[in-house]
Amino acid sequence: QAVLTQPSSLSASPGASASLTCTLRSGINVGTYRIHWYQQNPGSPPRYLLNYRSDSDNQQGSGVPRRFSGSQDASANAGILLISGLQSEDEADYYCMIWHSSAMVFGGGTRLTVL
Amino acid sequence: QVQLVQSGAEVKEPGASVRVSCKASGYTFTSYDINWVRQAAGQGLEWVGWINPMSGDTDHARKFQGRVTMTTYNSINTAYMELTSLTSEDTALYYCARGTSIDVWGQGTTVTVSS
Repeated sequence: QAVLTQPSSLSASPGASASLTCTLRSGINVGTYRIHWYQQNPGSPPRYLLNYRSDSDNQQGSGVPRRFSGSQDASANAGILLISGLQSEDEADYYCMIWHSSAMVFGGGTRLTVL
Repeated sequence: QVQLVQSGAEVKEPGASVRVSCKASGYTFTSYDINWVRQAAGQGLEWVGWINPMSGDTDHARKFQGRVTMTTYNSINTAYMELTSLTSEDTALYYCARGTSIDVWGQGTTVTVSS
């Protein structure tokens, strides 16, 4: 079982909100990790969005709109990237990342389609 | 502005080695680790390893054990990653990125391994 699991794709309408999940493997408690989120457009390097550990411990990337926010769902053992007021330019691949056992681990990525 | 600029594309034969450079500007080079991440065409992100420019400490993903060497030349704010015994499975875009949050990324260096 992968350390981090993301749905491969998600679709949402312009102006709506999209909730992208990053589920941690059973036995790894989301509450003990800082989850980092990245956006990648085709042909470009990933762009750092934010990291989230708790409501009082999170950082927004430089220049990242407040439409992008992080949270957790402890019952699902998942980190969440919430994008509100979806715009066509939000269509991209999104990756989550944690440091686990001294190694950087990425989720498989979610392709978000805005249509 | 904070920037990481990588060396140009490389084409190597199987069994050869490749060295990729990453020149930092706009911040104090020794204040942040440099991570190396790769991405095969159409695939997700994979961590290679990190180096601390101040101490020279390094760590890497287990799959690269014995094949990867990371160094820095602090007087010119440049990090290097060398990968040896290349196979076709090493064909990928290699990125350097800053810090534990990897908040700044280089533009990527394409490494193609082909006979």
